Amino acid sequence: NAGVTQTPKFRILKIGQSMTLQCTQDMNHNYMYWYRQDPGMGLKLIYYSVGAGITDKGEVPNGYNVSRSTTEDFPLRLELAAPSQTSVYFCASRQAGGSTDTQYFGPGTRLTVL
Amino acid sequence: GDSVTQMEGPVTLSEEAFLTINCTYTATGYPSLFWYVQYPGEGLQLLLKATKADDKGSNKGFEATYRKETTSFHLEKGSVQVSDSAVYFCALSDRRGSTLTFGKGTMLLVSP
Repeated sequence: NAGVTQTPKFRILKIGQSMTLQCTQDMNHNYMYWYRQDPGMGLKLIYYSVGAGITDKGEVPNGYNVSRSTTEDFPLRLELAAPSQTSVYFCASRQAGGSTDTQYFGPGTRLTVL
Repeated sequence: GDSVTQMEGPVTLSEEAFLTINCTYTATGYPSLFWYVQYPGEGLQLLLKATKADDKGSNKGFEATYRKETTSFHLEKGSVQVSDSAVYFCALSDRRGSTLTFGKGTMLLVSP
């Protein structure tokens, strides 16, 4: 199993450009998550999904959009990139079942907005 | 709301030294508690977890005990190795178990 995969690994955007960060998991997990990690700030939840067709905002959703049309895929869309969105983005998934379940993380996408 | 506070790093140790990384939390109800580890250039991996008071999670020589009375989940290891150098994150789950709240992370640097 590949687990959670993310593409691209690195990307540089200009202010105002848009892009989609891809996330795919092959573990048939119901829950999927998008986090951003800023230096010294831990991980902040952007959006999450409890299943296909269902998404919810996390702590820092402004400037982002998501969709969940299939169980496997959970893309994150940046419509008008801003320097404040420079960060490392992590996708994660877990099986439904309760608060004890482990989240499995992808390797991350490093995004720079100039 | 829920929150997690970790000691600031970096924590710098020599190989075979004893490690403690402090973690305290604020939450309603009885959350599950986790330690995740992030090696350079990688995503986070679960290190250990505890689901109720007085539970001890353990893995790879690391241990942490869920202390409800002090709302703490301190990470310990008796003898660290250079390969333990990484960033360690304490986290708790919300009441529904849907999301995790992370601390800011503590960098550990182990020298030979």
